[in-house]
Amino acid sequence: DADVTQTPRNRITKTGKRIMLECSQTKGHDRMYWYRQDPGLGLRLIYYSFDVKDINKGEISDGYSVSRQAQAKFSLSLESAIPNQTALYFCATSEPGGTGELFFGEGSRLTVL
Amino acid sequence: QKEVEQNSGPLSVPEGAIASLNCTYSDRGSQSFFWYRQYSGKSPELIMFIYSNGDKEDGRFTAQLNKASQYVSLLIRDSQPSDSATYLCAVSWSTGNQFYFGTGTSLTVIP
Repeated sequence: DADVTQTPRNRITKTGKRIMLECSQTKGHDRMYWYRQDPGLGLRLIYYSFDVKDINKGEISDGYSVSRQAQAKFSLSLESAIPNQTALYFCATSEPGGTGELFFGEGSRLTVL
Repeated sequence: QKEVEQNSGPLSVPEGAIASLNCTYSDRGSQSFFWYRQYSGKSPELIMFIYSNGDKEDGRFTAQLNKASQYVSLLIRDSQPSDSATYLCAVSWSTGNQFYFGTGTSLTVIP
């Protein structure tokens, strides 16, 4: 089983719908991140959390919200999805004081029609 | 605005050759530098990290860092078809903090 698990892996939805992408990890890391990846734009940070009570906006947080339900769980919500939120979304974790390596989930491909 | 720039490629090299991937960054305070490999449809995986000026070697991979020039590179010696992937450069202010990614360089190794 993957250490960082994302659900759903694929989702097609319509404009205006609310969508939640979930991430859970068994690595015991405090730090969790949500990125989106678009062709030609690389990985861009949406939100990050350094512990359950700490939530921070990244480069492109508009239109998104997050919830850190527990150390192991970090969810990303699109309150009212729009087509330009069509992208590949990655959850990642890291360990403070370690090498700084990010451990990625397998990705969630979201299509907004 | 912190920026990380990479040549998007595509870069093609013959099997057995050296592939050279380059990355520049805008924030002089950046402290940690990472190279990730991403196969098509897969998640990125770390292949190298470097913190200090100079070279760091790991098998066929060598990372080179020049903080004065704000430049980090990745050399892949004896390139193999299995090295064909997109290579992402990432930079952070401090270990485990926010990471800024380049757009990636697509590498194809031709058998």
